[in-house]
Amino acid sequence: AAGVIQSPRHLIKEKRETATLKCYPIPRHDTVYWYQQGPGQDPQFLISFYEKMQSDKGSIPDRFSAQQFSDYHSELNMSSLELGDSALYFCASSPPSRDRDQETQYFGPGTRLLVL
Amino acid sequence: AQSVTQLGSHVSVSEGALVLLRCNYSSSVPPYLFWYVQYPNQGLQLLLKYTTGATLVKGINGFEAEFKKSETSFHLTKPSAHMSDAAEYFCAVTTGGGNKLTFGTGTQLKVEL
Repeated sequence: AAGVIQSPRHLIKEKRETATLKCYPIPRHDTVYWYQQGPGQDPQFLISFYEKMQSDKGSIPDRFSAQQFSDYHSELNMSSLELGDSALYFCASSPPSRDRDQETQYFGPGTRLLVL
Repeated sequence: AQSVTQLGSHVSVSEGALVLLRCNYSSSVPPYLFWYVQYPNQGLQLLLKYTTGATLVKGINGFEAEFKKSETSFHLTKPSAHMSDAAEYFCAVTTGGGNKLTFGTGTQLKVEL
């Protein structure tokens, strides 16, 4: 079965640089979520999109922005990177509300970002 | 508001022994509960979930969990541990479709010979 695709899988950036992370949800899924997992931490919710509109916002820094496109893929843009942004960034997707499985979020493999 | 508490950040069991990972939740509305497993340097894989209906749910790899509303618990069990079960396990809660997941702090499971 198709899964959530994230690219790149690994990224190394310098402080103050920018980074763009991409997420391709499972086909037919209309909601995308972004989570950040710091070293030894649990995943923390950043932001979510439903039908290309932002649906919820968590602890996402103002330096970060995200959007969902017409094909439902999503991008997380990170500017003025700081050392503390080094983390694993997960994207998840969930099925449409009419599906039995609508509450379930399926996660991608993550993008490991290292800021030097 | 919702939250999850996982008791025991590290659990060690012998191969073949019972695995019990504890999860308690707090939610102002009926919760949807999940267990995810994360192997080193990998993503989060769904083990099992409780949404509605039967309170004892079975998942992959022989794991199961029971939703106990009176105890606000959703403990994960497996009758017989295998070396391949060594990983980090996260309990998570949401209040409905399209809503964020709130995770517990995770339990690292170690399986010894």
